[in-house]
Formats: sequence, C-alpha cells, structure tokens
Amino acid sequence: DAGVIQSPRHEVTEMGQEVTLRCKPISGHDYLFWYRQTMMRGLELLIYFNNNVPIDDSGMPEDRFSAKMPNASFSTLKIQPSEPRDSAVYFCASSLEQTTPLHFGNGTRLTVT
Amino acid sequence: EDQVTQSPEALRLQEGESSSLNCSYTVSGLRGLFWYRQDPGKGPEFLFTLYSAGEEKEKERLKATLTKKESFLHITAPKPEDSATYLCAVQDHSGGSNYKLTFGKGTLLTVNP
Repeated sequence: DAGVIQSPRHEVTEMGQEVTLRCKPISGHDYLFWYRQTMMRGLELLIYFNNNVPIDDSGMPEDRFSAKMPNASFSTLKIQPSEPRDSAVYFCASSLEQTTPLHFGNGTRLTVT
Repeated sequence: EDQVTQSPEALRLQEGESSSLNCSYTVSGLRGLFWYRQDPGKGPEFLFTLYSAGEEKEKERLKATLTKKESFLHITAPKPEDSATYLCAVQDHSGGSNYKLTFGKGTLLTVNP
C-alpha cells in the first residue's frame, strides 16, 4: 500500500494567486481529512469527508478556502486568493472508519510571499 | 471545547535515560486518546489508541497509559532513533456522529548518543 499521497510537496506562490493542493487517500478508506499545521496553532482540522461527502467544514478559516472530493480516490483543497498567513504545512489523512486511526500523507509545505 | 496540553514542549535525553511525556486533556466525553509520532518533513504516524482510564499499551520502548485527565508516554532506555515530535490527540463522542480529533502541540524529543 502506497499510503496517502499528497502533491505537490512544496508550493511557493505570490499573494493573490490560486493554490490547489491534491490528495489521494488509501484505497478503501471511507474518511478523508484535511489538516493544517503551524508552529503557533499546531494541527488544526479544516474539513473532513465521509464517502466523498463533506461532513464538517467548520475549521475552514474563510471563504477563500474550499475543498472537494469528486471520487473516492481524489480530493483537492483550494485557496483563492492566497495570503501570506496561509503559509503552513497542509496534511491530508484518511481512515477506514470513524474510530480507526488516521493515516497521514507527508504534507504540502505552502509558502505565500 | 476540547483542549489538549502537552508537556514539556521539548525534552533532551541521553541514550538510555528513561523519561515520560505528559498529555493533559479536557473533553466532555472521551471516545479515544491517540498518540502519534512525527519525524521532520513527514506526516504524523500512529502509535497507540487508549479508550478508558487504566488502559495501557506498549510498543518496543514506548508505553502509553491513561487516566481520567491525562495520558503519559513512557520511554524506557531511549535510543537516538526515538528522536521525534510526539503528538497527543483526543476524540470526544459528545458531538454525535461528528468525528473530530483535537491535537496538542506536541513534545519534541531529542535523544543524544
């Protein structure tokens, strides 16, 4: 099993540009999560999906953030327009069921200048 | 709101010097407490899940314990390869079907040879 795959690993962009982060969860996992990690706030849940349906997006900081899961093997997190305060490491994670542990990808380090 | 506080923020040990990391939590109803290990540039990797006070789990040099207010991660005779950030997370069941992990900010462990 290849695990959760995220791309790109690093993204550097200018303020105002659109950024799209991608995630391929582990096959067969019904839950997909997007987290953001910063030194100040640690790991924060942004949104999660169950069977491709968004369940809780209360952690999405602003309308500039959006996430989609068009099928069971792909999800995107989009930031438009990006701002310097969005700089962080964004993780995607998946799990088999609600009570099973999360499997994280290796993250996308986003830098907005 | 669920809260997770980890201490110390950083811990430096000599190889073979045993110690413990602390995770204090506040939740309305604990569904599970999770320990993860995170290496630089990687996503968190699952270690243990604890569900009820008094429960213990072991894996190699690591042992996790749980009380009603805190969890400890005991490291016995650590080796340099145990150096990592250790994250604690809690999940509560007060939100019905809403699955949400709240993470602490982690303890950065460094084990010197």
